[in-house]
Amino acid sequence: AQSVTQLDSQVPVFEEAPVELRCNYSSSVSVYLFWYVQYPNQGLQLLLKYLSGSTLVKGINGFEAEFNKSQTSFHLRKPSVHISDTAEYFCAVSGPAAGNKLTFGGGTRVLVKP
Amino acid sequence: IAGITQAPTSQILAAGRRMTLRCTQDMRHNAMYWYRQDLGLGLRLIHYSNTAGTTGKGEVPDGYSVSRANTDDFPLTLASAVPSQTSVYFCASSADRLNTEAFFGQGTRLTVV
Repeated sequence: AQSVTQLDSQVPVFEEAPVELRCNYSSSVSVYLFWYVQYPNQGLQLLLKYLSGSTLVKGINGFEAEFNKSQTSFHLRKPSVHISDTAEYFCAVSGPAAGNKLTFGGGTRVLVKP
Repeated sequence: IAGITQAPTSQILAAGRRMTLRCTQDMRHNAMYWYRQDLGLGLRLIHYSNTAGTTGKGEVPDGYSVSRANTDDFPLTLASAVPSQTSVYFCASSADRLNTEAFFGQGTRLTVV
């Protein structure tokens, strides 16, 4: 079985400051990892994904994430946030352990303050 | 614009009533999914379909049923709604069962009273 833990339910951050959202997963076999963003009253859209290859993945809107197999982590970072980054962020994992279906973490709500 | 359309966008439903949430995609994706989103729990998979004519149970299937008569449509039915089914429901699709990227609809906000 696979599971995803997002360690912070809420992260307040000032505009132009850096932000890191933590994600840890549990799986005994290979995984695919994703970060999705949900803006208020909208569906989810993909920020970035790790399938294989380079452990540093760059996504849209200046976000990046690093896959760390030894620590089973996939933390999301942005060096300088904007007000428009206020949203909820979901880490997700899929892979052979669960029939390649997506399993989501509980979400991290980011509030960017001016 | 290609994508996923869900209907209705919101609904208030009396307990015990039957309700079908509609989902249509025009991307010709093989795999489709229904999730429910509850505060602090993220998204939990209710049912899925890897291809037309097949369906499977997800993490929280009880009280829900689905059908996949064709590639484009994947309706979710609540046979007899209960208050614990109050949630936001998202339909999603992906090109194949490897789920390398899932595309989501805008959601249906359902309140069971």
